[in-house]
Amino acid sequence: AQSVSQHNHHVILSEAASLELGCNYSYGGTVNLFWYVQYPGQHLQLLLKYFSGDPLVKGIKGFEAEFIKSKFSFNLRKPSVQWSDTAEYFCAVNDPGTASKLTFGTGTRLQVTL
Amino acid sequence: KAGVTQTPRYLIKTRGQQVTLSCSPISGHRSVSWYQQTPGQGLQFLFEYFSETQRNKGNFPGRFSGRQFSNSRSEMNVSTLELGDSALYLCASSQDSGSYNEQFFGPGTRLTVL
Repeated sequence: AQSVSQHNHHVILSEAASLELGCNYSYGGTVNLFWYVQYPGQHLQLLLKYFSGDPLVKGIKGFEAEFIKSKFSFNLRKPSVQWSDTAEYFCAVNDPGTASKLTFGTGTRLQVTL
Repeated sequence: KAGVTQTPRYLIKTRGQQVTLSCSPISGHRSVSWYQQTPGQGLQFLFEYFSETQRNKGNFPGRFSGRQFSNSRSEMNVSTLELGDSALYLCASSQDSGSYNEQFFGPGTRLTVL
Protein backbone atom coordinates (compact mmCIF):
# COMPACT_ATOMS: atom_id res chain seq x y z
CA ALA A 1 0.00 0.00 0.00
CA GLN A 2 1.13 3.52 -0.67
CA SER A 3 2.10 5.81 2.15
CA VAL A 4 3.13 9.45 2.23
CA SER A 5 5.36 11.06 4.85
CA GLN A 6 5.51 14.72 5.65
CA HIS A 7 8.23 15.14 8.22
CA ASN A 8 7.52 18.72 9.21
CA HIS A 9 4.33 18.92 11.23
CA HIS A 10 4.50 22.56 12.17
CA VAL A 11 6.71 25.19 10.56
CA ILE A 12 7.00 28.80 11.66
CA LEU A 13 8.65 31.30 9.32
CA SER A 14 9.00 35.04 9.12
CA GLU A 15 7.72 36.83 6.05
CA ALA A 16 10.19 36.76 3.14
CA ALA A 17 11.87 33.61 4.41
CA SER A 18 12.27 30.70 2.02
CA LEU A 19 10.13 27.62 2.42
CA GLU A 20 10.75 23.97 1.77
CA LEU A 21 8.32 21.31 2.92
CA GLY A 22 9.33 17.69 2.63
CA CYS A 23 7.23 14.90 1.14
CA ASN A 24 8.29 11.30 0.63
CA TYR A 25 6.18 8.47 -0.70
CA SER A 26 6.58 4.73 -0.55
CA TYR A 27 5.17 3.46 -3.83
CA GLY A 28 7.76 2.27 -6.33
CA GLY A 29 5.68 2.35 -9.46
CA THR A 30 4.40 5.20 -11.56
CA VAL A 31 2.66 7.79 -9.42
CA ASN A 32 0.97 11.11 -9.84
CA LEU A 33 1.91 13.66 -7.19
CA PHE A 34 0.02 16.59 -5.75
CA TRP A 35 0.26 19.36 -3.21
CA TYR A 36 -2.96 20.69 -1.73
CA VAL A 37 -3.40 23.68 0.56
CA GLN A 38 -6.09 24.42 3.11
CA TYR A 39 -6.25 28.06 4.18
CA PRO A 40 -7.98 28.78 7.50
CA GLY A 41 -11.71 28.30 7.10
CA GLN A 42 -11.45 27.36 3.44
CA HIS A 43 -11.68 24.21 1.32
CA LEU A 44 -8.77 22.08 0.27
CA GLN A 45 -7.47 23.36 -3.04
CA LEU A 46 -4.88 22.16 -5.50
CA LEU A 47 -1.53 23.98 -5.46
CA LEU A 48 0.28 21.96 -8.09
CA LYS A 49 0.57 18.52 -9.62
CA TYR A 50 3.11 16.30 -11.35
CA PHE A 51 2.23 13.59 -13.82
CA SER A 52 5.29 13.29 -16.05
CA GLY A 53 7.89 15.32 -17.89
CA ASP A 54 9.87 18.16 -16.33
CA PRO A 55 10.36 17.19 -12.69
CA LEU A 56 10.21 20.83 -11.60
CA VAL A 57 6.59 21.91 -11.60
CA LYS A 58 5.20 25.34 -10.92
CA GLY A 59 1.90 25.97 -9.24
CA ILE A 60 -0.22 28.83 -8.10
CA LYS A 61 0.92 31.67 -5.86
CA GLY A 62 4.62 31.23 -6.60
CA PHE A 63 4.89 27.68 -5.30
CA GLU A 64 6.95 25.01 -7.04
CA ALA A 65 7.85 21.40 -6.35
CA GLU A 66 10.57 19.08 -7.51
CA PHE A 67 10.05 15.40 -8.17
CA ILE A 68 13.16 13.34 -7.42
CA LYS A 69 12.38 9.77 -8.40
CA SER A 70 15.52 8.26 -6.86
CA LYS A 71 14.60 9.74 -3.49
CA PHE A 72 10.84 9.13 -3.76
CA SER A 73 10.42 12.79 -2.89
CA PHE A 74 8.26 15.69 -4.01
CA ASN A 75 9.26 18.68 -1.91
CA LEU A 76 7.35 21.94 -2.02
CA ARG A 77 9.25 25.22 -2.21
CA LYS A 78 8.64 28.93 -2.25
CA PRO A 79 11.47 31.48 -2.36
CA SER A 80 9.76 34.09 -0.22
CA VAL A 81 6.68 33.39 1.90
CA GLN A 82 3.96 35.88 2.72
CA TRP A 83 1.71 36.13 5.75
CA SER A 84 -1.15 34.98 3.50
CA ASP A 85 0.62 31.64 2.97
CA THR A 86 -0.34 30.65 6.52
CA ALA A 87 -2.21 27.39 5.95
CA GLU A 88 -2.00 23.63 6.16
CA TYR A 89 -0.23 21.89 3.28
CA PHE A 90 -0.89 18.33 2.22
CA CYS A 91 1.16 16.16 -0.09
CA ALA A 92 -0.77 13.42 -1.92
CA VAL A 93 -0.01 10.61 -4.32
CA ASN A 94 -2.10 8.58 -6.67
CA ASP A 95 -1.46 5.30 -8.38
CA PRO A 96 -3.01 5.85 -11.80
CA GLY A 97 -4.43 2.34 -11.60
CA THR A 98 -6.61 3.23 -8.63
CA ALA A 99 -8.87 5.73 -10.36
CA SER A 100 -9.23 8.91 -8.29
CA LYS A 101 -7.97 7.58 -4.97
CA LEU A 102 -5.53 9.97 -3.31
CA THR A 103 -3.26 8.96 -0.46
CA PHE A 104 -2.46 11.98 1.68
CA GLY A 105 0.33 12.82 4.04
CA THR A 106 -0.55 14.01 7.54
CA GLY A 107 -0.07 17.63 6.59
CA THR A 108 2.25 20.47 7.57
CA ARG A 109 0.92 23.49 9.35
CA LEU A 110 2.75 26.61 8.16
CA GLN A 111 2.59 29.75 10.23
CA VAL A 112 4.07 32.90 8.71
CA THR A 113 4.76 35.75 11.10
CA LEU A 114 5.01 39.41 10.19
CA LYS B 1 -20.06 27.76 -11.36
CA ALA B 2 -21.07 26.69 -7.89
CA GLY B 3 -18.55 24.61 -5.99
CA VAL B 4 -19.00 21.28 -4.28
CA THR B 5 -21.67 21.50 -1.61
CA GLN B 6 -22.08 19.23 1.36
CA THR B 7 -25.00 18.96 3.73
CA PRO B 8 -25.34 19.15 6.59
CA ARG B 9 -22.24 21.08 7.63
CA TYR B 10 -22.42 19.92 11.25
CA LEU B 11 -23.99 16.88 12.81
CA ILE B 12 -24.13 15.48 16.32
CA LYS B 13 -25.15 11.87 16.83
CA THR B 14 -24.91 9.30 19.58
CA ARG B 15 -23.26 5.90 19.49
CA GLY B 16 -25.27 3.25 17.71
CA GLN B 17 -27.18 5.68 15.52
CA GLN B 18 -26.76 5.94 11.78
CA VAL B 19 -26.10 9.00 9.66
CA THR B 20 -26.40 10.03 6.02
CA LEU B 21 -24.25 12.75 4.51
CA SER B 22 -24.90 14.35 1.16
CA CYS B 23 -22.62 15.77 -1.52
CA SER B 24 -23.56 17.72 -4.63
CA PRO B 25 -20.70 17.86 -7.12
CA ILE B 26 -19.84 20.71 -9.42
CA SER B 27 -22.22 20.78 -12.37
CA GLY B 28 -20.94 18.46 -15.10
CA HIS B 29 -18.71 16.45 -12.79
CA ARG B 30 -19.42 12.74 -12.80
CA SER B 31 -16.93 11.45 -10.22
CA VAL B 32 -17.39 11.87 -6.48
CA SER B 33 -14.89 10.72 -3.87
CA TRP B 34 -15.26 10.72 -0.10
CA TYR B 35 -12.53 11.19 2.50
CA GLN B 36 -12.44 11.09 6.28
CA GLN B 37 -10.21 13.64 8.02
CA THR B 38 -9.19 13.19 11.66
CA PRO B 39 -6.35 14.72 13.69
CA GLY B 40 -4.79 11.32 14.29
CA GLN B 41 -5.15 9.64 10.89
CA GLY B 42 -5.22 12.64 8.57
CA LEU B 43 -7.12 12.36 5.30
CA GLN B 44 -8.16 8.84 4.38
CA PHE B 45 -9.94 7.72 1.23
CA LEU B 46 -13.33 6.14 1.77
CA PHE B 47 -14.64 5.45 -1.74
CA GLU B 48 -15.21 6.86 -5.19
CA TYR B 49 -18.33 6.78 -7.31
CA PHE B 50 -18.49 7.35 -11.03
CA SER B 51 -21.62 7.00 -13.14
CA GLU B 52 -23.48 5.50 -10.18
CA THR B 53 -20.85 2.75 -9.74
CA GLN B 54 -18.31 2.40 -6.97
CA ARG B 55 -14.88 2.60 -8.64
CA ASN B 56 -12.67 2.14 -5.62
CA LYS B 57 -12.93 1.59 -1.90
CA GLY B 58 -10.63 2.38 0.99
CA ASN B 59 -9.94 0.32 4.10
CA PHE B 60 -13.02 1.09 6.12
CA PRO B 61 -15.48 -1.35 7.68
CA GLY B 62 -18.72 -2.23 5.98
CA ARG B 63 -20.57 0.22 8.23
CA PHE B 64 -19.43 2.86 5.78
CA SER B 65 -21.33 2.80 2.53
CA GLY B 66 -22.23 5.15 -0.24
CA ARG B 67 -24.15 5.59 -3.40
CA GLN B 68 -24.43 7.92 -6.34
CA PHE B 69 -27.54 9.04 -8.12
CA SER B 70 -28.12 9.61 -11.81
CA ASN B 71 -27.58 13.37 -11.35
CA SER B 72 -24.12 12.58 -9.85
CA ARG B 73 -25.12 13.64 -6.34
CA SER B 74 -23.73 11.25 -3.78
CA GLU B 75 -24.57 10.16 -0.27
CA MET B 76 -22.55 8.29 2.26
CA ASN B 77 -24.03 6.39 5.16
CA VAL B 78 -22.45 5.29 8.39
CA SER B 79 -24.40 2.78 10.45
CA THR B 80 -23.96 1.86 14.09
CA LEU B 81 -21.88 4.92 14.85
CA GLU B 82 -18.83 4.63 17.08
CA LEU B 83 -16.99 7.37 18.95
CA GLY B 84 -14.08 6.96 16.56
CA ASP B 85 -16.26 7.97 13.62
CA SER B 86 -16.11 11.57 14.80
CA ALA B 87 -14.37 13.34 11.95
CA LEU B 88 -14.63 15.82 9.11
CA TYR B 89 -16.02 14.05 6.06
CA LEU B 90 -14.90 15.61 2.79
CA CYS B 91 -16.36 15.11 -0.62
CA ALA B 92 -14.43 15.82 -3.80
CA SER B 93 -15.70 15.92 -7.35
CA SER B 94 -13.96 15.72 -10.69
CA GLN B 95 -15.11 15.77 -14.26
CA ASP B 96 -14.17 12.16 -14.86
CA SER B 97 -12.65 9.33 -12.87
CA GLY B 98 -8.87 9.04 -12.62
CA SER B 99 -6.12 11.11 -11.08
CA TYR B 100 -5.51 13.13 -14.25
CA ASN B 101 -8.70 14.98 -13.43
CA GLU B 102 -8.41 17.70 -10.81
CA GLN B 103 -10.48 17.01 -7.73
CA PHE B 104 -12.40 19.88 -6.16
CA PHE B 105 -13.15 19.57 -2.50
CA GLY B 106 -16.20 20.67 -0.58
CA PRO B 107 -16.24 22.30 2.87
CA GLY B 108 -16.94 19.03 4.63
CA THR B 109 -19.45 17.75 7.15
CA ARG B 110 -18.22 17.70 10.72
CA LEU B 111 -19.67 14.68 12.49
CA THR B 112 -19.48 14.41 16.26
CA VAL B 113 -20.44 11.12 17.87
CA LEU B 114 -21.27 11.27 21.58
